[in-house]
Amino acid sequence: GAVVSQHPSRVICKSGTSVKIECRSLDFQATTMFWYRQFPKQSLMLMATSNEGSKATYEQGVEKDKFLINHASLTLSTLTVTSAHPEDSSFYICSALPGQTLISYNEQFFGPGTRLTVL
Amino acid sequence: GENVEQHPSTLSVQEGDSAVIKCTYSDSASNYFPWYKQELGKRPQLIIDIRSNVGEKKDQRIAVTLNKTAKHFSLHITETQPEDSAVYFCAASIPGANNLFFGTGTRLTVIP
Repeated sequence: GAVVSQHPSRVICKSGTSVKIECRSLDFQATTMFWYRQFPKQSLMLMATSNEGSKATYEQGVEKDKFLINHASLTLSTLTVTSAHPEDSSFYICSALPGQTLISYNEQFFGPGTRLTVL
Repeated sequence: GENVEQHPSTLSVQEGDSAVIKCTYSDSASNYFPWYKQELGKRPQLIIDIRSNVGEKKDQRIAVTLNKTAKHFSLHITETQPEDSAVYFCAASIPGANNLFFGTGTRLTVIP
């Protein structure tokens, strides 16, 4: 149990286009999902917290108009990178926080990540 | 917000030896400290976690210790094997927020 999927796993796009990444909790409901960005050989940096039915909370320095987050259901959050530029190329990972009825309070379950390359 | 520091950034050990990775955190309110193993291009995998009401936790070859007073926690891997080679991240979480603040990572190499 507690599986999180991400789609697509890899995407290559031209500069100026928008890319949507989906994060799904497959066998549990997640009122909260997180989006992280990881540059090569670096740590995971929290970008935003996505709450079902409400606006996302963005970390300092993350442009909310550039990284659009929608958490329309208890099993799906999407991250859209708008007007992508080469510096947005990175590994984007989501995680989902299940309700307290599941295994372990606080434990987040990570998706497999999406490698974005902007040409 | 919380600031987590991790040392060392790289660690090489001979197979069978022990490996120790240390982290410090800044916010005394943090109460949950997971450790993740990440292989190249893959998702972080939780390997062990500890809560602030416990000082030590062990799971086979892996153990974690927590010193709340000093605000540091450590990962201990005994009898290391080549498949333990990966990047390890510590993290801390503040109650209520549930955000994970990650350390900078340690690249562990186990030499056969």
